[in-house]
Amino acid sequence: EDQVTQSPEALRLQEGESSSLNCSYTVSGLRGLFWYRQDPGKGPEFLFTLYSAGEEKEKERLKATLTKKESFLHITAPKPEDSATYLCAVQVKETSGSRLTFGEGTQLTVNP
Amino acid sequence: NAGVTQTPKFQVLKTGQSMTLQCAQDMNHEYMSWYRQDPGMGLRLIHYSVGAGITDQGEVPNGYNVSRSTTEDFPLRLLSAAPSQTSVYFCASSYGGLKLFFGSGTQLSVL
Repeated sequence: EDQVTQSPEALRLQEGESSSLNCSYTVSGLRGLFWYRQDPGKGPEFLFTLYSAGEEKEKERLKATLTKKESFLHITAPKPEDSATYLCAVQVKETSGSRLTFGEGTQLTVNP
Repeated sequence: NAGVTQTPKFQVLKTGQSMTLQCAQDMNHEYMSWYRQDPGMGLRLIHYSVGAGITDQGEVPNGYNVSRSTTEDFPLRLLSAAPSQTSVYFCASSYGGLKLFFGSGTQLSVL
C-alpha cells in the first residue's frame, strides 16, 4: 500500500531561522512527488513537482529535494507569511491522473 | 479567471438527508477529482474523472456518487448523509493529471 509520512507534525520557527520539513514515502513506483501549501480555510496551492531522485526545485525561500525514499522542503530565512500547512503528495505509476496520495501535512508557524 | 469554484462554502445536514456539492472549473481541464480532508487523516480521494462521461472510484467512495456530463462540472452527491461524512471537501482539476488546482472547499457538518 502506498504511504506518505510527513514530519514533524508541527514546527515553530523564529523569523530567519532556517529548517527543513520531511516527507518519506513508500510506493510501488513513483511517477511524481508534489508539495502544496495550504492556508487556513483555503484549498491547497501547488508549489513543486519532483520526478526523479536528485532533482531539486526552488521558489523564493523554498527549496524541494528528492531522494529514492524521501523529499525535503528546505525553508531558508523564513518570514511570518510562510506560516501555513505544507502538504506532500505522491502519484504512483500505472495510476490515472488526479490520483494523489497525501501525507497529513506539517503545520509551520513562523514567529516575528 | 475563476479557476475551480465550489459551492456551497458551508452546509449543515441532518442524518439521512441528501445533497449535492457543486464544482466547476473554467480552465478546460480534463481531470477532476474530489477529496475529503479530516484531522489526522490528510486528504483522501473520493472519486475522480479523466474526462466527460468517465468517472472512477478513489480511496473512500462509499456513500458518494459522481457524474461528469460536461468538461466544466463535476458534482458530488451525498445519497444519505451520515455523521462520518462530516468533513471538508475539496474539488480539484488538472491538465494531464499532475499539477492540481484546488477549490476553496466546502465545510460539511452532518448532525
